[in-house]
Amino acid sequence: TQLLEQSPQFLSIQEGENLTVYCNSSSVFSSLQWYRQEPGEGPVLLVTVVTGGEVKKLKRLTFQFGDARKDSSLHITAAQPGDTGLYLCAGWSGGSNYKLTFGKGTLLTVNP
Amino acid sequence: NAGVTQTPKFQVLKTGQSMTLQCAQDMNHEYMSWYRQDPGMGLRLIHYSVGAGITDQGEVPNGYNVSRSTTEDFPLRLLSAAPSQTSVYFCASSYWGGAGYTFGSGTRLTVV
Repeated sequence: TQLLEQSPQFLSIQEGENLTVYCNSSSVFSSLQWYRQEPGEGPVLLVTVVTGGEVKKLKRLTFQFGDARKDSSLHITAAQPGDTGLYLCAGWSGGSNYKLTFGKGTLLTVNP
Repeated sequence: NAGVTQTPKFQVLKTGQSMTLQCAQDMNHEYMSWYRQDPGMGLRLIHYSVGAGITDQGEVPNGYNVSRSTTEDFPLRLLSAAPSQTSVYFCASSYWGGAGYTFGSGTRLTVV
């Protein structure tokens, strides 16, 4: 069974602060996806990374895929209350394994 | 609007009752999946499909059945509801599993 460990589990910060969320595994993934989920809604895809060492930026959010394709990080610069939500990472192994494995998520609260 | 549509949004069942959760997508996606989300457990894969007529079990398939007769629809059947099946259920679709999934808004199911 492939596992994705996310840390921290909970994060409460003030508006304007920076933060980093981590997603780690002992397994290699063909792609790593990040989602954000708001209360009462389904997860929404933020980004997909597929190449080891890849860095993608989405406004104030920076996503990095580890060189060995076993881990990833999400960095938010100058967090805003609108960034509040549950951040989920998910790994896709590819090949004959069609399953997407999710981490348990990081619940981020950004206080005004 | 293009996307994944789940019905119903809320449902209360008595133990032993059966029901079908509906899921439809209009994006011509081959990959479709059902997840359940429980506090502290994250998103767990129930069943998935890689195309019409092809389904397979995920991490927690017991008590659930699926079929995929068309590309658009992927219903989830609860055979005999149990309180342990109280959860929020999400359907998701993707044109390719490694590219990221589009999620529905969920069905909140309570079994009493």
